[in-house]
Amino acid sequence: AQSVAQPEDQVNVAEGNPLTVKCTYSVSGNPYLFWYVQYPNRGLQFLLKYITGDNLVKGSYGFEAEFNKSQTSFHLKKPSALVSDSALYFCAVREMSGSARQLTFGSGTQLTVLP
Amino acid sequence: EPEVTQTPSHQVTQMGQEVILRCVPISNHLYFYWYRQILGQKVEFLVSFYNNEISEKSEIFDDQFSVERPDGSNFTLKIRSTKLEDSAMYFCASSDGFTGPDTQYFGPGTRLTVL
Repeated sequence: AQSVAQPEDQVNVAEGNPLTVKCTYSVSGNPYLFWYVQYPNRGLQFLLKYITGDNLVKGSYGFEAEFNKSQTSFHLKKPSALVSDSALYFCAVREMSGSARQLTFGSGTQLTVLP
Repeated sequence: EPEVTQTPSHQVTQMGQEVILRCVPISNHLYFYWYRQILGQKVEFLVSFYNNEISEKSEIFDDQFSVERPDGSNFTLKIRSTKLEDSAMYFCASSDGFTGPDTQYFGPGTRLTVL
């Protein structure tokens, strides 16, 4: 069974500072990993995904994520946070092998960027 | 940019009633999904649909649930006899099935309230 852990319910960061939202995963094989963002009363918006190859993945709005196989982590990062980045962030995993496409989500991390 | 759309945005129903939640996936996508998010909890996979049949379903997706693609554009989730615990945000998603791993794009959700 696959699972995702987001150990921080809430992350606060000052505008202009770097931000990190943590994610660790568990799958029986190799993972596909995703980050989504949810703004209030909106759906989930895709940010980026890890497939294979380069461990640093760049996505929308200046976000990037680093895949670390030994630590089974896929932390979301941004060098300089904006107030408009304040939202709920979800990490998700899907196993690479087989035909299953269901995504397993973490519990979400509320990011607040303080002006 | 193409989007997944969902109607209605909010549905209120009495316990025991049937509801149909509607989705219009992105037009060239082949895989369709339903997820739900109970307030304050994780986003959970319900079902995936491909080539006019269910390809995966979770334990949540029991006999009270059904999905259908009644025409070339709509994808529906029917809940036959709603329970209080069905109150949640229901998200539809679609993916193209070509570029692996294909990205699932989510709609804005339907908030279902069962009284």
